[in-house]
Amino acid sequence: GAVVSQHPSWVICKSGTSVKIECRSLDFQATTMFWYRQFPKQSLMLMATSNEGSKATYEQGVEKDKFLINHASLTLSTLTVTSAHPEDSSFYICSAPTRTDLYQETQYFGPGTRLLVL
Amino acid sequence: GNSVTQMEGPVTLSEEAFLTINCTYTATGYPSLFWYVQYPGEGLQLLLKATKADDKGSNKGFEATYRKETTSFHLEKGSVQVSDSAVYFCALSDPADSSYKLIFGSGTRLLVRP
Repeated sequence: GAVVSQHPSWVICKSGTSVKIECRSLDFQATTMFWYRQFPKQSLMLMATSNEGSKATYEQGVEKDKFLINHASLTLSTLTVTSAHPEDSSFYICSAPTRTDLYQETQYFGPGTRLLVL
Repeated sequence: GNSVTQMEGPVTLSEEAFLTINCTYTATGYPSLFWYVQYPGEGLQLLLKATKADDKGSNKGFEATYRKETTSFHLEKGSVQVSDSAVYFCALSDPADSSYKLIFGSGTRLLVRP
């Protein structure tokens, strides 16, 4: 199946610093990627849709200036958490859809990035 | 709007027991339905899917049938193993939504004891 990677897998940073997380589709091109946030023992919350060549679309309540998204190429999207604070500590997961048959696209997920802000 | 409701966990079973995790959905159109599994410390993996009514998705001994009449997509496995311990997410996507967003249920944690 299709493979989506994320880097880094975990990161610890000091409060006030910025952290960049990369999401790559390894064996397919993705004009769209999705960024999710998952709190412990909770479901995934869609943060934004990353669009190659255009601005990201953010879900209601997600701060655009806080979570900067750049879809640099057809295989790479980055999420930058700016001026991180302890409440930003979470598990961040990206996904990318790819067509698996004539009528259907299936989303494949990255392994996630665990962010801890001290 | 579209939504997914899953049974609350955790579900604790002994090895070789029968598993059912209930999932129902609300959708205005004809959604595609998915089960994803998340093992401890990992991201989500697609377990199985169904794209139209009466379709049965299956993988690794797990099955789920798309029931339009009851708007359900319950996950079943005849004999669970310790390695099946994970969190299971039911999800839907609306083909009418060109962004292919997934709407997730709250997740059900499964713990299988030896």
